[in-house]
Amino acid sequence: AQKITQTQPGMFVQEKEAVTLDCTYDTSDPSYGLFWYKQPSSGEMIFLIYQGSYDQQNATEGRYSLNFQKARKSANLVISASQLGDSAMYFCAMREGDGPARQLTFGSGTQLTVLP
Amino acid sequence: GAGVSQSPRYKVAKRGQDVALRCDPISGHVSLFWYQQALGQGPEFLTYFQNEAQLDKSGLPSDRFFAERPEGSVSTLKIQRTQQEDSAVYLCASSLGWGRTASGNTIYFGEGSWLTVV
Repeated sequence: AQKITQTQPGMFVQEKEAVTLDCTYDTSDPSYGLFWYKQPSSGEMIFLIYQGSYDQQNATEGRYSLNFQKARKSANLVISASQLGDSAMYFCAMREGDGPARQLTFGSGTQLTVLP
Repeated sequence: GAGVSQSPRYKVAKRGQDVALRCDPISGHVSLFWYQQALGQGPEFLTYFQNEAQLDKSGLPSDRFFAERPEGSVSTLKIQRTQQEDSAVYLCASSLGWGRTASGNTIYFGEGSWLTVV
């Protein structure tokens, strides 16, 4: 079974509008972390936001917020007031367990295009 | 430096040639990871170091792939006798690696080394 599922290969949004990128995950570990990364065409993976499985509040970082629904195992990224520079590939990823040796497992990504 | 630094950024290798990709992690980061990203895909885990110890190399696709981090900072990923299927972006990442906080868990990536085997 896929550990991270991103069902939207591509998304379009009008500049200044909000957009939600979907992510569902699968784990039996009670301790895990969920991450969103942005990858522009230059190739760098840019960290956006983190949500720990024990966090009570949904994470927010500026225009980014994470809609964390633990029972549904979903961790959707919401980008408010989209900007042209937000056009990029977005990856959801999960890190299971507490130890330092835990690597990230990535979804297949969503290509976001912001229209002027 | 402030971020994870990788070199070379771009490498074209002839099939059968050996290549070496370098990664300079964020200063003080204990954990170092290598990932391989094929075109249009998410990154796939290759190997993990905690300081100089290679604790997980389960993602290395074949024995042609070798990674080291001899002094617990800079790491090198070496690919011997490159094949066309090795063409990908190789991403290095590092993290503090401890605890449940964002700062402890967040993995920071470099810009990647784009390898093309012809």
